[in-house]
Amino acid sequence: RKEVEQDPGPFNVPEGATVAFNCTYSNSASQSFFWYRQDCRKEPKLLMSVYSSGNEDGRFTAQLNRASQYISLLIRDSKLSDSATYLCVVTIGGFKTIFGAGTRLFVKA
Amino acid sequence: GAGVSQSPSNKVTEKGKDVELRCDPISGHTALYWYRQRLGQGLEFLIYFQGNSAPDKSGLPSDRFSAERTGESVSTLTIQRTQQEDSAVYLCASSPRTGSAGYTFGSGTRLTVV
Repeated sequence: RKEVEQDPGPFNVPEGATVAFNCTYSNSASQSFFWYRQDCRKEPKLLMSVYSSGNEDGRFTAQLNRASQYISLLIRDSKLSDSATYLCVVTIGGFKTIFGAGTRLFVKA
Repeated sequence: GAGVSQSPSNKVTEKGKDVELRCDPISGHTALYWYRQRLGQGLEFLIYFQGNSAPDKSGLPSDRFSAERTGESVSTLTIQRTQQEDSAVYLCASSPRTGSAGYTFGSGTRLTVV
């Protein structure tokens, strides 16, 4: 079993739709959680950290469920510019960082 | 610097040659990571440096791969006797602490072994 697993997608959604991604992690010692965004042929960029209490940044909401060992990302009112690959990132033991393989999102006009 | 700088941005090399990739992290960032990303694939962890501590080399795929970093400065990733399967984008990322604040990536070095 991979340490961090994501549905690779692709998710094809129309503009304005709400879409959600989940990511599961296997190591209960995982400490920090992030969502990164990677555009085609570009480097990953931090989208948002994920806190235990859940956090929101504009149209994006991230949640963490430690009991079930998953994190989620919800995107409301999807824009064409949201089309990208979304990477789930887990830090274990304070320094070991594992990236998920990513979920591809295509937002269509 | 303002961001993580990697050089060269592109490298084409012949099979069997050695290559050296450079990463200049953000000033003050103590943690530095190297990742490999093959076309259409996810990020593959290679090596991690944290300050002057011994690096975590657990992700290096073979003994042809090595990396160095002096203190909190520049890091170099060296691939000896390159093979075609080494073709990938090599990404460097740095963080102000042990990843708890997220990472800033460089734009990568695209390595093509012909």
